[in-house]
Amino acid sequence: GENVEQHPSTLSVQEGDSAVIKCTYSDSASNYFPWYKQELGKGPQLIIDIRSNVGEKKDQRIAVTLNKTAKHFSLHITETQPEDSAVYFCAALSPGGGTASKLTFGTGTRLQVTL
Amino acid sequence: GAGVSQSPSNKVTEKGKDVELRCDPISGHTALYWYRQSLGQGLEFLIYFQGNSAPDKSGLPSDRFSAERTGGSVSTLTIQRTQQEDSAVYLCASRRDRGTTGELFFGEGSRLTVL
Repeated sequence: GENVEQHPSTLSVQEGDSAVIKCTYSDSASNYFPWYKQELGKGPQLIIDIRSNVGEKKDQRIAVTLNKTAKHFSLHITETQPEDSAVYFCAALSPGGGTASKLTFGTGTRLQVTL
Repeated sequence: GAGVSQSPSNKVTEKGKDVELRCDPISGHTALYWYRQSLGQGLEFLIYFQGNSAPDKSGLPSDRFSAERTGGSVSTLTIQRTQQEDSAVYLCASRRDRGTTGELFFGEGSRLTVL
């Protein structure tokens, strides 16, 4: 099955700096890579996703890059703000059809943006 | 409601008791997932329902865990003879369509504490 590794587990940056979170995956057939943000006491919420036919995607201060050859993808947050403080999860979807297709999550990165 | 609703939000039980956790997905969403999040850990897949297809139960950690989804809507996760290692936040998520990609909408979770 798919294995997703995520680094770092914790990340502290100063407000205004950039933050980068990296993930690797094992199944070369995986074709969809979403990122979720989980605020304290809440369920995770999708912030950006990328499909395997695209190398990079941006949405305002957030960008995701995908390197299929190396099987890794990264989340980049620029001009960080205190409200970016949360736990971020990467995920990879292994295709298989119907319920055989499964989304595997990384172990999460706790991002703290300090003033 | 507008989002995924889970109940109870908190449950404290004694070792050996049975518990039931409920999930009301977003109306019209055909896919429903249960994940477990232990303290400081990632999201562990438990079970996946898609329409009328047989559910993917491959993530259930033991035969003490079971889940059902009635009428393609509400789902109940049952843990029998609870153990202390079952203590975690149990998250439910739903997705709108039958495809394998697309946003998962998570509830706020049910925090289970087994004494």
